[in-house]
Parts: sequence; C-alpha cells; structure tokens
Amino acid sequence: DVKVTQSSRYLVKRTGEKVFLECVQDMDHENMFWYRQDPGLGLRLIYFSYDVKMKEKGDIPEGYSVSREKKERFSLILESASTNQTSMYLCASSRTLAGGSYEQYFGPGTRLTVT
Amino acid sequence: KNQVEQSPQSLIILEGKNCTLQCNYTVSPFSNLRWYKQDTGRGPVSLTIMTFSENTKSNGRYTATLDADTKQSSLHITASQLSDSASYICVVEAGSYQLTFGKGTKLSVIP
Repeated sequence: DVKVTQSSRYLVKRTGEKVFLECVQDMDHENMFWYRQDPGLGLRLIYFSYDVKMKEKGDIPEGYSVSREKKERFSLILESASTNQTSMYLCASSRTLAGGSYEQYFGPGTRLTVT
Repeated sequence: KNQVEQSPQSLIILEGKNCTLQCNYTVSPFSNLRWYKQDTGRGPVSLTIMTFSENTKSNGRYTATLDADTKQSSLHITASQLSDSASYICVVEAGSYQLTFGKGTKLSVIP
C-alpha cells in the first residue's frame, strides 16, 4: 500500500514564525503536491513537484515556498506565518497511469493554526 | 475558467438506503474525472478515475457514471453504511497536473 505521511497532525504557531511542513512518501512517486483545504473553498493547489529539485507554482503560491531535495520528501515552508494561513494542509503523491493521467494518494493532513 | 459544481452540498440518509451525488463540470480540455472520499480530519482517498471513453465504473458499493457530452457525472452509493459518512469530492483533470476540485458533498448516514 502507498503510504504518504505528514510530520504533524496538528500544529499551532505564532504570527511571523517560520513553519516547516514535511511530507514523505514510500512508493518512489515522481510527483508530489501540496494543497490547502478551507471550508467552502475545497482543495487548492499551492505547489507541486514532478522531480527532485523541480517545482511548479500552483494556484495560490503566495506566502509559501517548497523544497524537494530527495525524491521521497517534499517540504512546504511558510516563511512568515500569518493568521490567514490557518488551514488544513494536505500533501499528495502520484504515479503516472497509462494515457498520461495519474492517481493521487493523499497524506492524513496537518491542521495548522496561526495565532 | 474551469469549474466543478457538486450537488447537493449536504445530504442525510438512513442506513441501508441508496443515494446519488451529482457533479457538473466545465473543464477543457478533459482528461479524466475522479471521485474521492474524505473522512472527517483525514486526507481524500480515491474511489474511481474515469477517462473520456468510460461511462461507468464501480468500486464495491460505489458506482460512478460519466456523460462527457453533457459534462455530468454521478456517484451512486448502494445500501449505505454508517462508514459511508464522509465528504465526496469530484475532481476533473485537464491534463498536465491541472486538477479542478469541487467543493464536495457532505454525506451523513444515520441509523
């Protein structure tokens, strides 16, 4: 079974702190993603990576950065946390299926609260 | 702008009953459509993925349909169980990692 793990289930940080969210997958997937999920808005893509050291901006990259130094690990960084970054953060990884589509596997999520 | 609309927003049904969730989309180009189940406080889990040529796909008691002409999909749940209580999310891929997520339907199954 594919396993995607996230470093914390719950996290409370203060405004202005630098925050690191870690994601690790054990299936040798090329692609990894970071989303945030807010009530009434659904999932929104922050960043994704299709290979080591490669990254692409998603729909809402402002205020975030990412790092992918190893294939199995994808980190999301909040350089200076703000209260509007309070959210559920979901990491996903994927393999490519025949025809070019891919199936995503999600981690359990990190509920971040910024006070 | 690519959009995925799901209905209803929420639904309450009795255990053992069937239900159908709807998904309408305006996504172009179309690559595939997925249904995910998300338990409260957990990450989404894939139920089905359908490409343009598929119009029905089943996963146990879950059956998804796709009408690419009308750009509509439905997820039918048969003989519901308490464990089916979750949010169900419709996602349409336009290719090249371009996924558009619906806001989900929250299903509550009560005894």
